[in-house]
Amino acid sequence: NAGVTQTPKFQVLKTGQSMTLQCAQDMNHEYMSWYRQDPGMGLRLIHYSVGAGITDQGEVPNGYNVSRSTTEDFPLRLLSAAPSQTSVYFCASSSLTSGTNEQFFGPGTRLTVL
Amino acid sequence: AQRVTQPEKLLSVFKGAPVELKCNYSYSGSPELFWYVQYSRQRLQLLLRHISRESIKGFTADLNKGETSFHLKKPFAQEEDSAMYYCALNVSSGGYQKVTFGTGTKLQVIP
Repeated sequence: NAGVTQTPKFQVLKTGQSMTLQCAQDMNHEYMSWYRQDPGMGLRLIHYSVGAGITDQGEVPNGYNVSRSTTEDFPLRLLSAAPSQTSVYFCASSSLTSGTNEQFFGPGTRLTVL
Repeated sequence: AQRVTQPEKLLSVFKGAPVELKCNYSYSGSPELFWYVQYSRQRLQLLLRHISRESIKGFTADLNKGETSFHLKKPFAQEEDSAMYYCALNVSSGGYQKVTFGTGTKLQVIP
């Protein structure tokens, strides 16, 4: 199992550009989520999904869109990048049926917006 | 609303000294709490969960519902314990789940 994978690992954007951060998991997990990690602010939940076709907003959803068309994939779209979106982005997944609720994290995407 | 507070951004201790990383939570229901750790250049990973009441790498954490706390403790710090530690609160029922993380505490173990 590859676990949770994220691409790209690094990305530099100019203000106003759009892009999609990819996240995939091969563990058949129902729950997937996106976090941003900023110094002094920890991990903040952007969006999450409890299954294909179901998404919901987290703590800091503005400027981001998500969709969940398959169980495996949960892409995060930046509509019009802003310098405030410079951060490290983590995708995570977990099983809603295993009973452990352990979150499995991807390696992260470091995004810089100029 | 669920909330997790980790009051210390940085905790520096000497090797061999006891460690206590504080975590307080706010949630009206029955909490499910976790500690995650992120070592340098590695991805976040689960350290321990309150339900299992286990000790991992010498760390333990006890849920205190009266004080709404889930502090992480280790009697003797090791250099390899240096990492970022996150406390997390999970709310789940009937196919719904939401996980809230604290702001994290960087543990620095001084040789």
